[in-house]
Amino acid sequence: TQLLEQSPQFLSIQEGENLTVYCNSSSVFSSLQWYRQEPGEGPVLLVTVVTGGEVKKLKRLTFQFGDARKDSSLHITAAQPGDTGLYLCADIYNQGGKLIFGQGTELSVKP
Amino acid sequence: NAGVTQTPKFQVLKTGQSMTLQCAQDMNHEYMSWYRQDPGMGLRLIHYSVGAGITDQGEVPNGYNVSRSTTEDFPLRLLSAAPSQTSVYFCASSYSLLGKLFFGSGTQLSVL
Repeated sequence: TQLLEQSPQFLSIQEGENLTVYCNSSSVFSSLQWYRQEPGEGPVLLVTVVTGGEVKKLKRLTFQFGDARKDSSLHITAAQPGDTGLYLCADIYNQGGKLIFGQGTELSVKP
Repeated sequence: NAGVTQTPKFQVLKTGQSMTLQCAQDMNHEYMSWYRQDPGMGLRLIHYSVGAGITDQGEVPNGYNVSRSTTEDFPLRLLSAAPSQTSVYFCASSYSLLGKLFFGSGTQLSVL
């Protein structure tokens, strides 16, 4: 069974700090997606990474896919209160139509 | 476009009651799915569908039924509600399995 492990589970930082959250898999990722979820809302897709070693940037967010495609990281530079939310990684399980999520990293950025 | 619409937004049930959570999308997406979200557990896949007439089980299918008679609708049925089914339920759709997943705003269900 593929398992997606995210760390840390909780993160509380001050505005302006940098942070990194991680997503690791027990097997090779098919096509890793990162989502952000705000309270009371459904998750929203941030990025999809497919190729080992791939790096994608979205404003202050940098997403990296490990060379072996078993790990990924999300780095936020100069975090802002608007970055507060639950960050989830997801991957397709066993090519069987199942998009499986990790348990998420809950980020709180204080002014 | 409305996107993915879920109803109701909130629901309280007694143990043993049945109900249907409604999900509709107007984007002509083939892929639809239901997730439940519990604290510290992320999103767990209940059932999914790759097109009208085709459904399959996810990670936690027990106690839930689905059907997909049209491309637009994908209702989730709780046959006999149990307190363990207290959760927030999300419906989602995408053009393809690898495509961007669009989520509804969720249904908060409490089973007493």
